[in-house]
Amino acid sequence: GAVVSQHPSWVICKSGTSVKIECRSLDFQATTMFWYRQFPKQSLMLMATSNEGSKATYEQGVEKDKFLINHASLTLSTLTVTSAHPEDSSFYICSVRPQGALRRSYNEQFFGPGTRLTVL
Amino acid sequence: RKEVEQDPGPFNVPEGATVAFNCTYSNSASQSFFWYRQDCRKEPKLLMSVYSSGNEDGRFTAQLNRASQYISLLIRDSKLSDSATYLCVVTHHNTDKLIFGTGTRLQVFP
Repeated sequence: GAVVSQHPSWVICKSGTSVKIECRSLDFQATTMFWYRQFPKQSLMLMATSNEGSKATYEQGVEKDKFLINHASLTLSTLTVTSAHPEDSSFYICSVRPQGALRRSYNEQFFGPGTRLTVL
Repeated sequence: RKEVEQDPGPFNVPEGATVAFNCTYSNSASQSFFWYRQDCRKEPKLLMSVYSSGNEDGRFTAQLNRASQYISLLIRDSKLSDSATYLCVVTHHNTDKLIFGTGTRLQVFP
């Protein structure tokens, strides 16, 4: 399967600061990456779809000016949480859907290890 | 109402037991169905796809009932390493978007 990395794996920051999370596709080029968020004991929720070379597509209810996504290359997408507040504390996970040879099912996505954000 | 509903559990079973999880989905346009596994504080990983005809992968059997909008996962001969949260996932036609249930927690004890 595909290998996806995220950095950092965890971060603690003060309220009002901005935090950048990187998602890298290590063994293939990804024109599309996905950003999810998971609060404790809740399901993963898709925040946005990151498209290389164009604007991200945000899900309903997700503020695009607060969660800035940049997909500048075929192997890197970044999510910046601007002016983070305690309610933004969550587990942020990216995923990719690689080309056919690397996946067992058409819709299979491979997830990064996640970034745990804690805002004090 | 959530689009994908699961019993959160936990299901506590002894090694060797057979356990079944259920999942219901509300959108009749849902097209593809999956079970993902998520270990504590880790990322989800695909366990298996679910087909209308039912499919089996070793100790794991998945079933789909489109008429009832119901998906199941059966685990036979449970191992300690099966302890995890099992996520029911659906997709809609012509979209990459995965819609996750909240998961069912399984704890297998010796």
